[in-house]
Amino acid sequence: AQSVTQPDIHITVSEGASLELRCNYSYGATPYLFWYVQSPGQGLQLLLKYFSGDTLVQGIKGFEAEFKRSQSSFNLRKPSVHWSDAAEYFCAVGIINFNKFYFGSGTKLNVKP
Amino acid sequence: NAGVTQTPKFQVLKTGQSMTLQCAQDMNHNSMYWYRQDPGMGLRLIYYSASEGTTDKGEVPNGYNVSRLNKREFSLRLESAAPSQTSVYFCASSEEYSVNYGYTFGSGTRLTVV
Repeated sequence: AQSVTQPDIHITVSEGASLELRCNYSYGATPYLFWYVQSPGQGLQLLLKYFSGDTLVQGIKGFEAEFKRSQSSFNLRKPSVHWSDAAEYFCAVGIINFNKFYFGSGTKLNVKP
Repeated sequence: NAGVTQTPKFQVLKTGQSMTLQCAQDMNHNSMYWYRQDPGMGLRLIYYSASEGTTDKGEVPNGYNVSRLNKREFSLRLESAAPSQTSVYFCASSEEYSVNYGYTFGSGTRLTVV
């Protein structure tokens, strides 16, 4: 069965430090890959997506993600975190053949001043 | 701002009561979805409407019904609420029913069933 794993439930980083959020998926072929962010009390906002081509994709708010086929991973990164980045982040995969999305369970990011 | 609007934002129900969650989008999207979000479980699809006039079950449809009223509106009904339906409900829309398209989400309805 298809699955999306975000192994870190909570992460705390200091403002200005770098960030990497992990996402692994289980699927035979390369799915479409997405990262969403959910600020407190808000809906999910699309940060970036990967369909094909360059494995390093740029998104909004200074985020980027790298697709690694050999590791079935799509990790989200940011070089320098801002306090406003405190939120919950969801990885999602889109399975082309079944036209379905699967969401990870989320990683909650806290930012220390 | 254009987007997906959900009402109400908060609701407390007693077990056995019924209610309808409303969702409207103004982006002329063809497809709409209802998800529930529970701690540690991510988002799970309840129902979706690939296009106006069609609805289909998702991953967790039991206890819910939906109506695609028109292209803009997609409502979710709980006929007899149960404590297990305590959750945050999100409506979303996309241009077409395809994983090629990202979703636009509403800000959610936090429902508590006591």
